[in-house]
Amino acid sequence: GDSVTQMEGPVTLSEEAFLTINCTYTATGYPSLFWYVQYPGEGLQLLLKATKADDKGSNKGFEATYRKETTSFHLEKGSVQVSDSAVYFCALSTGTGGGNKLTFGTGTQLKVEL
Amino acid sequence: DGGITQSPKYLFRKEGQNVTLSCEQNLNHDAMYWYRQDPGQGLRLIYYSQIVNDFQKGDIAEGYSVSREKKESFPLTVTSAQKNPTAFYLCASRDTVDSPLHFGNGTRLTVT
Repeated sequence: GDSVTQMEGPVTLSEEAFLTINCTYTATGYPSLFWYVQYPGEGLQLLLKATKADDKGSNKGFEATYRKETTSFHLEKGSVQVSDSAVYFCALSTGTGGGNKLTFGTGTQLKVEL
Repeated sequence: DGGITQSPKYLFRKEGQNVTLSCEQNLNHDAMYWYRQDPGQGLRLIYYSQIVNDFQKGDIAEGYSVSREKKESFPLTVTSAQKNPTAFYLCASRDTVDSPLHFGNGTRLTVT
């Protein structure tokens, strides 16, 4: 079945540091890929998405490139801020006949310190 | 503004009682979903509905029930058969297969 694997957290960085959160996936067909962010006590918000190979999703300084050859969708940001502290989820959607549902990774907590 | 409303934000129940969590959306989305979130386990799908009067079990449906009588509403009942009901429950909806999910702010259920 479909699955998403994310690096375990928490990831702790100093403000203005470079961020990478790794995400790899297993899926049948050609999935759409997403990154969601969850702030404490809230639901998830879409951060960015990519729907086909070599697409780059970007938003609020975050980027991720859909790499079909390595089945990866790593999240990056050049300079993190304290306000980026949250839990980040990688997810895929294949829209196959089993139900057009999303499969999520387990989430990676990011803590950014001054 | 369009969105998803989950209520209440916090819910407390005694063991052995059924409890219903509310989810309402005004996004005109056909598909709606219920997820359960536990620490370190990410999100697990409980039930989903792609259209009114139809719904399917997700990965962890045992001990839960749903209904979809209206497009905008998808309530989840946590029954006394659910062995570990204490969790954070998230409702979501989306427009098409490739569309992102829109989430509500969740309901934290505590059963003692």
